[in-house]
Amino acid sequence: DQQVKQNSPSLSVQEGRISILNCDYTNSMFDYFLWYKKYPAEGPTFLISISSIKDKNEDGRFTVFLNKSAKHLSLHIVPSQPGDSAVYFCAASDKNGGGSNYKLTFGKGTLLTVNP
Amino acid sequence: SQTIHQWPATLVQPVGSPLSLECTVEGTSNPNLYWYRQAAGRGLQLLFYSVGIGQISSEVPQNLSASRPQDRQFILSSKKLLLSDSGFYLCAWSVFGELFFGEGSRLTVL
Repeated sequence: DQQVKQNSPSLSVQEGRISILNCDYTNSMFDYFLWYKKYPAEGPTFLISISSIKDKNEDGRFTVFLNKSAKHLSLHIVPSQPGDSAVYFCAASDKNGGGSNYKLTFGKGTLLTVNP
Repeated sequence: SQTIHQWPATLVQPVGSPLSLECTVEGTSNPNLYWYRQAAGRGLQLLFYSVGIGQISSEVPQNLSASRPQDRQFILSSKKLLLSDSGFYLCAWSVFGELFFGEGSRLTVL
């Protein structure tokens, strides 16, 4: 049972345009959402996060939107740059009943290619 | 600042051979530690996590095991590798809901 779904395995956009990466989740207990970026043969790096008490979080060119009623979040990259080409993983966490162990459930990832 | 290292970076092993991947964290104490695997078409799958020395929780039944002999050391092992164990293994530590990953270890089982 896949609790975090990224239904688009790949996305291709032109440099300077907007990239929109989508993610859906099924577990209503998730209350913290993150996006990670991964280059080949490297570990993922944290990009941006959002708590369930917010519906938007912005950091430079990156904005994450959360729609709790639809159990949907998206990552917007504006403007897209060739260096943004990577696999993007959506992840979600429930704080395991208030404990300190933050287990993340990841989607399968979306390969973003930004063409010059 | 905190750093995380894992090794070896790449490993090619025959079926049935043992495995040992090691991960160490510096600059923090009593971290939560994790082993993830990225396999083709399957995203990042949590294998094990540990909240302290000797405390290991397994998420996925398999022929892998994990150990935490020291506070900042996390080891992934197998007695006999299977072809399906091939993948990219990632060690991570967490704080306040965010995971910080190591460089990854590419395992190919032939």
